[in-house]
Amino acid sequence: EVQLVESGGGLAPPGGSLRLSCAGSGFTFIDYVMVWIRQAPGKGLEWVSGIRGGGTTYYEDSVKGRFVISRDNSINTVYLDMNSLRGEDTAVYYCARERRGSGSFEFWGQGALVTVSS
Amino acid sequence: EIVLTQSPGTLSLSPGDRATLSCRASQSVHINYLAWYQHKPGQPPRLLLYGTSSRSAGIPDRFSGSGSGTDFTLTISRLEPEDFAVYYCQQYGNSPLWRFGQGTKVDIK
Repeated sequence: EVQLVESGGGLAPPGGSLRLSCAGSGFTFIDYVMVWIRQAPGKGLEWVSGIRGGGTTYYEDSVKGRFVISRDNSINTVYLDMNSLRGEDTAVYYCARERRGSGSFEFWGQGALVTVSS
Repeated sequence: EIVLTQSPGTLSLSPGDRATLSCRASQSVHINYLAWYQHKPGQPPRLLLYGTSSRSAGIPDRFSGSGSGTDFTLTISRLEPEDFAVYYCQQYGNSPLWRFGQGTKVDIK
């Protein structure tokens, strides 16, 4: 059974930092693109960042230069390091696994709430 | 950059009705790379369709998808009570690499 479990959400001040982790199980982790997607309060889904099994990374423009995605395939975990946080980064952050070859997201974690506030 | 525009913003229907949701892209999307999701409060989104019309595992056949180029449609043939939710289209391959539409809420009339 595929499982994705996020951790590391919480409260951070504007300008602060947080690290999200997502542990995967039930599949060959290195074979899959992993992504982070967020939903701000009252808003829709927004793709944030993605990483291929070999480490190639992608970012949405509003987080480029502030967020860093990485993965450790030896422990089946993907990370999102969030720096220079802003109020508009407040959201539930989901990690998700791509369905191979389709560009869609077949499995999702339960989500981690990130609140940026002083 | 690509923009996905979903319409209508809200669809008010009754159980048993047919729902037709639209997703229009500002650039052409390959049919292999257009997906639809269902999202309910407090839950992660659920993949319904990928590759425009292929149902994900466990998705009932009342959900169907069609379209090509810049115009795509999600159809729910007969709404069940559990189908009232927000629906998103999503593309892969243009810039940015992944992008969602803004969503269509299907609520009970």
